[in-house]
Amino acid sequence: AQKVTQAQTEISVVEKEDVTLDCVYETRDTTYYLFWYKQPPSGELVFLIRRNSFDEQNEISGRYSWNFQKSTSSFNFTITASQVVDSAVYFCALSEGDDYKLSFGAGTTVTVRA
Amino acid sequence: GAGVSQSPRYKVAKRGQDVALRCDPISGHVSLFWYQQALGQGPEFLTYFQNEAQLDKSGLPSDRFFAERPEGSVSTLKIQRTQQEDSAVYLCASSLDEGQYATQYFGPGTRLLVL
Repeated sequence: AQKVTQAQTEISVVEKEDVTLDCVYETRDTTYYLFWYKQPPSGELVFLIRRNSFDEQNEISGRYSWNFQKSTSSFNFTITASQVVDSAVYFCALSEGDDYKLSFGAGTTVTVRA
Repeated sequence: GAGVSQSPRYKVAKRGQDVALRCDPISGHVSLFWYQQALGQGPEFLTYFQNEAQLDKSGLPSDRFFAERPEGSVSTLKIQRTQQEDSAVYLCASSLDEGQYATQYFGPGTRLLVL
């Protein structure tokens, strides 16, 4: 069963629009971590954020913000005032219980047009 | 500082050939991971090292896949008798400590194409 679901396959926006990427996760563990990574065309996964299951505080970093809601098992990511450089594939990932590995969603491709 | 590096960046192999993919983790990082990323998909876990010990190899798809990290630093992923279904990007990641939730930092990947 897929542990992380990113329902949006592709999103295309015009520069300066806001874009929200959905992430829904599934776990039976009470202790877990959620991550977002960015994968630009160069291929390297770039770490964006890590959030633990006990911290539901939303976070803002520049134009990026994250909304964590345990009640709906969601960890959504918003890019405000998008720029062309934001064009990439974005992955949500889960690390749960005693497991070391990350379980990734299928990714959402974001295209920002000038 | 230097990030995770991988070599080669691209590899073309004929079906049946053996290949070796190298990963240089961030200096001092205890944990090292290998993932396989098929086209249009998210990365899938292959194996995990803590220093030189391979603690989890549950994701290796067959006994043709073998990974090692003999001195607890550089790691090599070897694929024997490559098949077309092995074509993918192979990503290496490292993390500073051995905790389950330590942030993993990824290299640029090796794109393997098996003809």
